[in-house]
Amino acid sequence: QSVLTQPPSASGTPGQRVTISCSGSSSNIGSNAVTWYQKVPGTAPKLLIYSNDHRPSGVPDRFSGSKSGTSASLAISGIQSEDETDYYCAVWDTNLNVWLFGGGTQLTVL
Amino acid sequence: EVQLVESGGGLVQPGGSLKLSCVASGLDLGDDWMDWVRQAPGKGLEWVANIKQDGSKRYYVASVRGRFTISLDNAKKSVYLQMNSLTGEDTATYYCARGAGGGWFWDSWGQGTLVTVSS
Repeated sequence: QSVLTQPPSASGTPGQRVTISCSGSSSNIGSNAVTWYQKVPGTAPKLLIYSNDHRPSGVPDRFSGSKSGTSASLAISGIQSEDETDYYCAVWDTNLNVWLFGGGTQLTVL
Repeated sequence: EVQLVESGGGLVQPGGSLKLSCVASGLDLGDDWMDWVRQAPGKGLEWVANIKQDGSKRYYVASVRGRFTISLDNAKKSVYLQMNSLTGEDTATYYCARGAGGGWFWDSWGQGTLVTVSS
């Protein structure tokens, strides 16, 4: 059971907007910046969002992040078949002095 | 081009030891951190340890504290993970990653090295 809670799965049809949530507590999301990673099986994780809502160069602008209180969200607008993979939130926990990952969300493009 | 290359994975018996290495090229580590993240087969990502570039701070996930040691050699632009008293639960692909922005996000990753703990 992860300290950060993500839905295990999400789905949508091509072109739809999908949102993946990440719920934590005051010592992690409530205190520090949230990051999001895309993980394709057999490859290294890829940074999608940092500092809650910043997108690195090269990441399509249909990926966006937000944070409110102790929860964060990753939104993917106009999903494409290539987006079908796993997504993880991550944040530093100030009390535990560890990085936490959410359990991961498997996105299915129907 | 930024590149991180891990090595040192393999098959080891329970209770054994292994040392992973990660060599960085094409980047100036500056104020960054270096981290190790792992993924067990069929499981999610798990952060393992990190170290500040000057070596002054290092942190570990509870499950490896006292068994794993992270270290670095700035001259060689390398970070290491010494793993002792390995168990089956340590079986995973281990990735090294650069903690950019003062360690607040991982923008560069290695390709991963597989560690299998089995008799």
